[in-house]
Amino acid sequence: QLQLQESGPGLVRPSETLSLTCTVSGGSISSGSYYWGWFRQPPGKGLEWIGSIYYSGTTDYNPSLKSRVTISVDKSKSQFSLKLTSVSAADTAVFYCAKGAGTTVAVGAHWGQGTLVTVSS
Amino acid sequence: DIVMTQSPDSLPLSLGERATINCESSQSVFYTSNNKNYLAWYQQKPGQPPRLLIYWASTRESGVPDRFSGSGSGTHFTLTISSLQAEDVAVYYCQQYYTPPYSFGQGTKLEIK
Repeated sequence: QLQLQESGPGLVRPSETLSLTCTVSGGSISSGSYYWGWFRQPPGKGLEWIGSIYYSGTTDYNPSLKSRVTISVDKSKSQFSLKLTSVSAADTAVFYCAKGAGTTVAVGAHWGQGTLVTVSS
Repeated sequence: DIVMTQSPDSLPLSLGERATINCESSQSVFYTSNNKNYLAWYQQKPGQPPRLLIYWASTRESGVPDRFSGSGSGTHFTLTISSLQAEDVAVYYCQQYYTPPYSFGQGTKLEIK
């Protein structure tokens, strides 16, 4: 059964870089033509798509975050990663990784449990 | 950017009742070249990640009970739960994936009256 697990620091200082990794198990990140995405949800608020990466490495980012976001994939480790630079308190959120549904770019069919990242000094 | 607006914000219903949640997009999410609406619905329970229910506006994800159905086209969409069960208490979100940023509605909280 496919499982996704987010990992990374739970606390990041303002102006620093947030780095998260999503490890995929029970399936290969290289099998099939799927997108793999990152989403976030500030506490008590709604969902936001951050960006997605195709298994080949092609990326698609939310324009509002594009200048600060990098998503990469390491097929050998069955992982994909998120880097968000110059963070502020507004970036505090639960971050989710997800596997795309079919050929869609940003529809999450299988989700990790999420990890809370707090931006604070 | 496409703005997604859901109604109502909160929906209190009794068990067994029909639930109808609406989602309106600020522009059409229908792609004429493939005749598809780029609209998805999710269910999110407290402390859990979202669960995909419906995509392409009306295609039920594998494993989703058939009491959940999606309809609509263009800019107006509806998620219907034919007979409300206790386990359906959750927040429901619509999402357009027609053009980035792939935006979500603000959510509709479904609760038992």
